[in-house]
Amino acid sequence: SQQGEEDPQALSIQEGENATMNCSYKTSINNLQWYRQNSGRGLVHLILIRSNEREKHSGRLRVTLDTSKKSSSLLITASRAADTASYFCATSPIMEYGNKLVFGAGTILRVKS
Amino acid sequence: DSGVTQTPKHLITATGQRVTLRCSPRSGDLSVYWYQQSLDQGLQFLIQYYNGEERAKGNILERFSAQQFPDLHSELNLSSLELGDSALYFCASSVNPTYNEQFFGPGTRLTVL
Repeated sequence: SQQGEEDPQALSIQEGENATMNCSYKTSINNLQWYRQNSGRGLVHLILIRSNEREKHSGRLRVTLDTSKKSSSLLITASRAADTASYFCATSPIMEYGNKLVFGAGTILRVKS
Repeated sequence: DSGVTQTPKHLITATGQRVTLRCSPRSGDLSVYWYQQSLDQGLQFLIQYYNGEERAKGNILERFSAQQFPDLHSELNLSSLELGDSALYFCASSVNPTYNEQFFGPGTRLTVL
């Protein structure tokens, strides 16, 4: 079963607009990671934010994390057609031994040119 | 290109058969993870290995097994295949077994007929 829920399930915007995707999760985590997937291909790692961080930037990406609300958001600024993809949040739950990622269902982003 | 390689890219087989999926982690990464992506279950963690030893187990069926070899490559063996095993199988790797980013390979698309 998936821990995360992502909102919205699908998002359609015009090129140049900003896109915001939200993720909620259920258990305590070490970190939260965002991935992009183009049409059933491999997952591309975008950014990792640790549980003691509140905000992180990477190029046109901005991620926030609110551990009290167990939620995160991914903002893509000045979107491009090439940003069209599925975006997944993945949490790394605190485990006694080992590690795993628990994925949300993903947000399908379509950027129209 | 994440540096994680997976072979084969595509695999078509029949029910009841057995297949082996192969993964080579990024240079320097000691931990390997296997995930399954299907339409109904989404992305699910299967199993983690670190430096040859099993570290964490997820929703992996008894018909499935994995191992990590001394050269750090990993294999996922799927036996007595069923139609429902059709999915994308991803391998990921990370530097250490706990807090770091996981980088994903391009995946193996398994079709069971």
